[in-house]
Amino acid sequence: GEDVEQSLFLSVREGDSSVINCTYTDSSSTYLYWYKQEPGAGLQLLTYIFSNMDMKQDQRLTVLLNKKDKHLSLRIADTQTGDSAIYFCAERFRGSQGNLIFGKGTKLSVKP
Amino acid sequence: SAVISQKPSRDICQRGTSLTIQCQVDSQVTMMFWYRQQPGQSLTLIATANQGSEATYESGFVIDKFPISRPNLTFSTLTVSNMSPEDSSIYLCSGGTSGASYEQFFGPGTRLTVL
Repeated sequence: GEDVEQSLFLSVREGDSSVINCTYTDSSSTYLYWYKQEPGAGLQLLTYIFSNMDMKQDQRLTVLLNKKDKHLSLRIADTQTGDSAIYFCAERFRGSQGNLIFGKGTKLSVKP
Repeated sequence: SAVISQKPSRDICQRGTSLTIQCQVDSQVTMMFWYRQQPGQSLTLIATANQGSEATYESGFVIDKFPISRPNLTFSTLTVSNMSPEDSSIYLCSGGTSGASYEQFFGPGTRLTVL
């Protein structure tokens, strides 16, 4: 079955880079996503990558995809206190109607 | 990107009652979904809302408990029926685009507490 794994916590200092990792099991995944959830809020789509790509950069965000190892990462450069949130990795696998399978989320804490 | 609104944003309900959550999308999306996020947990898909026909439910979710409507492309409702404290969760509406890329956006969620 489909499964998405993430580490639960990450703590970094302001100004450092954060790297949030995710592994998934379905090799037929077509799109992989990163969402951000701030306390008491809904999910904000940060970025996504198509499975035939290995990297995508969007301002401070860099997504790396290792399809062979089914490993996805999100790097946040120059992490700010406003980046403190829970980050969810999600996959959309081939043949689905479009619904996503989510990891449990990584809580990023940014210390000043 | 699609902007998705939900109402109510939160509610406190009594056991045995029902609550209907509304979801409105500002642009046409191909797909609409309803997810549940239990306290401190990840998101679990409840069902896919199909326009003009019965929703497609995931394992563990049934129409009698979570009736869903989608009368047009941009509007859907989810009812949580005969509520119990175990139904206390955040319920999120989601819409997915079509085309060369597939983006899926989420509403702000409805925080439900059942006493």
